[in-house]
Amino acid sequence: KQEVTQIPAALSVPEGENLVLNCSFTDSAIYNLQWFRQDPGKGLTSLLLIQSSQREQTSGRLNASLDKSSGRSTLYIAASQPGDSATYLCAVRDANFGNEKLTFGTGTRLTIIP
Amino acid sequence: DTAVSQTPKYLVTQMGNDKSIKCEQNLGHDTMYWYKQDSKKFLKIMFSYNNKELIINETVPNRFSPKSPDKAHLNLHINSLELGDSAVYFCASSQWGFSNQPQHFGDGTRLSIL
Repeated sequence: KQEVTQIPAALSVPEGENLVLNCSFTDSAIYNLQWFRQDPGKGLTSLLLIQSSQREQTSGRLNASLDKSSGRSTLYIAASQPGDSATYLCAVRDANFGNEKLTFGTGTRLTIIP
Repeated sequence: DTAVSQTPKYLVTQMGNDKSIKCEQNLGHDTMYWYKQDSKKFLKIMFSYNNKELIINETVPNRFSPKSPDKAHLNLHINSLELGDSAVYFCASSQWGFSNQPQHFGDGTRLSIL
């Protein structure tokens, strides 16, 4: 059974700093890994999706990496801004035919201090 | 232009009542999901439908009955609501068989049981 863990559970950093969020998963047989952002009381916004054959994806100040064999992904945020404050969730889609569900991590609550 | 829309956004009701949540997507996807986010913010799959057929049922109590009248709609009916049903319910959609495409989420329905 796939389990996804995110460390740390909460992180506070001063504005302008670069930071890394971590995600680990127990079963490396995945189709893809997706990073989401969730603002308080809001829905999920998809940030990046990395396919199992890819090593990284970039979007603006965000860079996500994937090391499938070791069951790890990182989300790098450059030059953090107060608007980046949110909960960040990673989710994996297992590589089982017919299993289209996502298994979510526990989330990292990020606070950027102005 | 909302891709995945859920109604209502908020639902407050008493224990023992029956309620429904509706979800519609205009992305042309053929697979839809219900996820539950508990008080600790942990997101977990409940159901998945592909072309109106149930493909995932993650041991959800049979008080929960999803219904998919067509592939663009997936509704969730809950009978005899219990205190533990208080959570945020997210609807999502994707295209079956396309592992390089992300799942798209609605804004959630916040269910509170009094």
